[in-house]
Amino acid sequence: GIQVEQSPPDLILQEGANSTLRCNFSDSVNNLQWFHQNPWGQLINLFYIPSGTKQNGRLSATTVATERYSLLYISSSQTTDSGVYFCAASRAGSYQLTFGKGTKLSVIP
Amino acid sequence: DTEVTQTPKHLVMGMTNKKSLKCEQHMGHRAMYWYKQKAKKPPELMFVYSYEKLSINESVPSRFSPECPNSSLLNLHLHALQPEDSALYLCASSEGGFPSSYEQYFGPGTRLTVT
Repeated sequence: GIQVEQSPPDLILQEGANSTLRCNFSDSVNNLQWFHQNPWGQLINLFYIPSGTKQNGRLSATTVATERYSLLYISSSQTTDSGVYFCAASRAGSYQLTFGKGTKLSVIP
Repeated sequence: DTEVTQTPKHLVMGMTNKKSLKCEQHMGHRAMYWYKQKAKKPPELMFVYSYEKLSINESVPSRFSPECPNSSLLNLHLHALQPEDSALYLCASSEGGFPSSYEQYFGPGTRLTVT
């Protein structure tokens, strides 16, 4: 199946700092999603971005499908941004979403 | 409305019990999924239903039995589970079909403890 790798595995930021999370995938994709998992386990959809660039407030994401990577940018981080960020992808023609191992973000005041 | 609901939120069951997890969506989606997530691990796909038919079973033990009674509902029947089956069980849905968005929307999960 498709391989999804995320980096870094852990990230500690001071409140107000910016960060970039990376996701590499091994095959052509029809789905690339970024999620934030809150402490209660809820997976919150951040972006559906198989290609291109999107922005939503302080968050933005870019996927370069031809080079098989995606980036999630968090600007002016807040303590509420803490949690685990997952990238997930599915190969073209498939419903099977494969998750990376996640980036655990801790934002300290 | 992009909501997927799951009940119960928490479930504690013994190894000889039979219980069911329920998932519901009213977005008109035709693909529904069950995932299992162990602590500090990513979610792993268990089953996919497409147009109410089981299309993917990721070699899941038979003590987990999925059911899709209609296009809005997805159940996961549990029987004779083991303590290592304790996990967060997540349901998701997507539009299904082609061409369509493959974006998946997740429910809040059921946290299962097997004693």
